[in-house]
Amino acid sequence: SQQGEEDPQALSIQEGENATMNCSYKTSINNLQWYRQNSGRGLVHLILIRSNEREKHSGRLRVTLDTSKKSSSLLITASRAADTASYFCATGLYSSASKIIFGSGTRLSIRP
Amino acid sequence: EPEVTQTPSHQVTQMGQEVILRCVPISNHLYFYWYRQILGQKVEFLVSFYNNEISEKSEIFDDQFSVERPDGSNFTLKIRSTKLEDSAMYFCASGGGSQLLGSPLHFGNGTRLTVT
Repeated sequence: SQQGEEDPQALSIQEGENATMNCSYKTSINNLQWYRQNSGRGLVHLILIRSNEREKHSGRLRVTLDTSKKSSSLLITASRAADTASYFCATGLYSSASKIIFGSGTRLSIRP
Repeated sequence: EPEVTQTPSHQVTQMGQEVILRCVPISNHLYFYWYRQILGQKVEFLVSFYNNEISEKSEIFDDQFSVERPDGSNFTLKIRSTKLEDSAMYFCASGGGSQLLGSPLHFGNGTRLTVT
């Protein structure tokens, strides 16, 4: 079964609004990362949060991690058309540090 | 900024043929990965490689798959006898720091493999 599950699967919002994507996972982790993928391209790393951290910020991105609920959220504030992409969470497993498992992704569309 | 490069960008092969997908990771990175993605869907872990050996592999990475780092710069994925269901985008990634602590992965732009 999939380690990471994002929801929603797809999200469409107006430019300027905030976008929130969630990720749930099943097994204990060392860290959780968020990546972005433009259509047909490779994934680009956005932000990493370690298991002993609860919140992290980077520019317009805010990530939270709740290890008791095995969940994370990615908030993009003041969205722009260029934020249109798929967003994936990826977990570094506690049991297998080099096995980094991606979730199923959220397709984000920003309407101008 | 250093980047991961993959060649070819598109490979078409006939079922049963062998293919080799090539990657040049970032030069001072220590961890290397192959992932695949079918039709823009989920990104599936295939294998991780560290210190010249496989660290982890998934159930997908069966005997028809193998990886090599033949010369200290290239990192290759070989599929011995391709099947139709191997058609996918294959991504190579490398990481520089300790995976125990967590280190970002840098991805190439992928090789689109089409098996006919």
